[in-house]
Amino acid sequence: RKEVEQDPGPFNVPEGATVAFNCTYSNSASQSFFWYRQDCRKEPKLLMSVYSSGNEDGRFTAQLNRASQYISLLIRDSKLSDSATYLCVVKRRVGGSYIPTFGRGTSLIVHP
Amino acid sequence: NAGVTQTPKFQVLKTGQSMTLQCAQDMNHEYMSWYRQDPGMGLRLIHYSVGAGITDQGEVPNGYNVSRSTTEDFPLRLLSAAPSQTSVYFCASSLRDRGSTGELFFGEGSRLTVL
Repeated sequence: RKEVEQDPGPFNVPEGATVAFNCTYSNSASQSFFWYRQDCRKEPKLLMSVYSSGNEDGRFTAQLNRASQYISLLIRDSKLSDSATYLCVVKRRVGGSYIPTFGRGTSLIVHP
Repeated sequence: NAGVTQTPKFQVLKTGQSMTLQCAQDMNHEYMSWYRQDPGMGLRLIHYSVGAGITDQGEVPNGYNVSRSTTEDFPLRLLSAAPSQTSVYFCASSLRDRGSTGELFFGEGSRLTVL
């Protein structure tokens, strides 16, 4: 079983829709959690960190459920520019370092 | 501020050839790493380094070597290229002292084809 699992999609939604992605992780020792965004043929960039109490950044809301070992990303009022691949990232401690593991990504296509 | 710079952006090799992908960062980041990204496989960690003189293996290290002689540079060497190494390679860095919360900054990627 892969350490970080995501539904690859694609999620195909109209502009203005609300869409949610989930990500599950298998290692209960995981320490920190993130969502990265990757545009086609570009490098990944940090979208937001995910905190235990949940956090919001504009139209984006991230949630963490440690008991069930999943994180989620909710996008409200989708824009065409939200079309991208969303990567779930989980860090766990290895020796004295925190090593990130990436999920395979979830593809979002927002259409007019 | 250049951030993370990777060269070359594109490379075509023949099976058995060797080459080095260069990665440099100007943010004084202690942590540097190399990933490969293949369709349907996501980003997989090849090697990483937590500081000059220190390197360690990631998930898929076979066929690759790294060294970290300075804080700024972290080259990835392909010893004898194989078609299975055709991929997009990303270098990434972060501040180590941010511990588990440090943001990873990526280079623009190097697209390698091995014939």
